[in-house]
Amino acid sequence: GAVVSQHPSWVICKSGTSVKIECRSLDFQATTMFWYRQFPKQSLMLMATSNEGSKATYEQGVEKDKFLINHASLTLSTLTVTSAHPEDSSFYICSAWEREGSFLYNEQFFGPGTRLTVL
Amino acid sequence: AQSVTQLGSHVSVSEGALVLLRCNYSSSVPPYLFWYVQYPNQGLQLLLKYTTGATLVKGINGFEAEFKKSETSFHLTKPSAHMSDAAEYFCAVGPRSARQLTFGSGTQLTVLP
Repeated sequence: GAVVSQHPSWVICKSGTSVKIECRSLDFQATTMFWYRQFPKQSLMLMATSNEGSKATYEQGVEKDKFLINHASLTLSTLTVTSAHPEDSSFYICSAWEREGSFLYNEQFFGPGTRLTVL
Repeated sequence: AQSVTQLGSHVSVSEGALVLLRCNYSSSVPPYLFWYVQYPNQGLQLLLKYTTGATLVKGINGFEAEFKKSETSFHLTKPSAHMSDAAEYFCAVGPRSARQLTFGSGTQLTVLP
């Protein structure tokens, strides 16, 4: 089946530093990748949608200068949390989607998530 | 526009009892419907999905769900709960595809011995 990996699985950083999270589709080409944020005991909140080779589309209320997303290839998207602060601490999950018409297009494939703790 | 309502943020059942997790959706176009399970500190695992065709969908681990258009529902059931079923369950809807998913608030399932 289609597998999506995330790295790192957890990260602790100091306030004011930047953190990069990678999301990779291991055995298929993801034309679109999504980044979600999940607070404890809550549902997933879509942060942004990224298409390979183009700028990400951010959801309302998500700071694009704080959460930098790059989708440079069909198998890799990165989320960089710039100048992180304790309120950015959360569980970040990515997912990947193949193009319309492919045999995988009926499903989003989710990564295992990254736990970010900002001290 | 689409939305998902999961009735009951917490559901407790005894081991061996029927599991019923409720999901109602709203969609202006024919929906694709999904149930995901999430274990602590992990990503989402697909249990089952409805896209088109047969309205009774069988998934992994003995779960199934029925798409009822007239009731705008997609409830998840399992005849006999197992301790390993204890987890968070999310219902999601997409407009004719999986590209734009809207998630429900989730239901925490507890299985009592």
